[in-house]
Amino acid sequence: AQRVTQPEKLLSVFKGAPVELKCNYSYSGSPELFWYVQYSRQRLQLLLRHISRESIKGFTADLNKGETSFHLKKPFAQEEDSAMYYCALRGYNTDKLIFGTGTRLQVFP
Amino acid sequence: DGGITQSPKYLFRKEGQNVTLSCEQNLNHDAMYWYRQDPGQGLRLIYYSQIVNDFQKGDIAEGYSVSREKKESFPLTVTSAQKNPTAFYLCASSIDGTNTEAFFGQGTRLTVV
Repeated sequence: AQRVTQPEKLLSVFKGAPVELKCNYSYSGSPELFWYVQYSRQRLQLLLRHISRESIKGFTADLNKGETSFHLKKPFAQEEDSAMYYCALRGYNTDKLIFGTGTRLQVFP
Repeated sequence: DGGITQSPKYLFRKEGQNVTLSCEQNLNHDAMYWYRQDPGQGLRLIYYSQIVNDFQKGDIAEGYSVSREKKESFPLTVTSAQKNPTAFYLCASSIDGTNTEAFFGQGTRLTVV
């Protein structure tokens, strides 16, 4: 069965502090993992995907198959990073896309 | 203007009535999804469809029904059997394939009174 766990409902940091949003998954095959973000009054949108190994808006995420984790990191948080972040998983060769419960990131000035 | 459109934005219904939420996309995407978003519970998958005339139950399909008669449309009916229908509903679509991005609609807030 597919499952995504985000243990933190709320993460509050000050501007310039490092940020790590945790995501653990359960899937027996090779997963496709994503981070989506929802800014206030905006649509949910893709932030990054594990296959691209890219940095978007200073965020990175590394897939750790041994720990079944896909944590989202940023070395220096900015106020505009305040949003709701969702980790998502799609099983290999399927279109079933599931999400975690989300973590709200608050960055204070 | 390309994208995925949900209508209406707000919907009110009386308890015991079925209600249908609309989702249309002009992105030529094969896959479409319906999620329910509740505070503290994230997005929970209701139904998804990988191709026209085919759909699969998600994790919380009870009390809901869908159809996929056209590629661009994936309406969701909230039936009277759904015990707690008041929620925010999100529709999404994506190209069929690996690691593809899902595009989301603006959502419909359904209130059952």
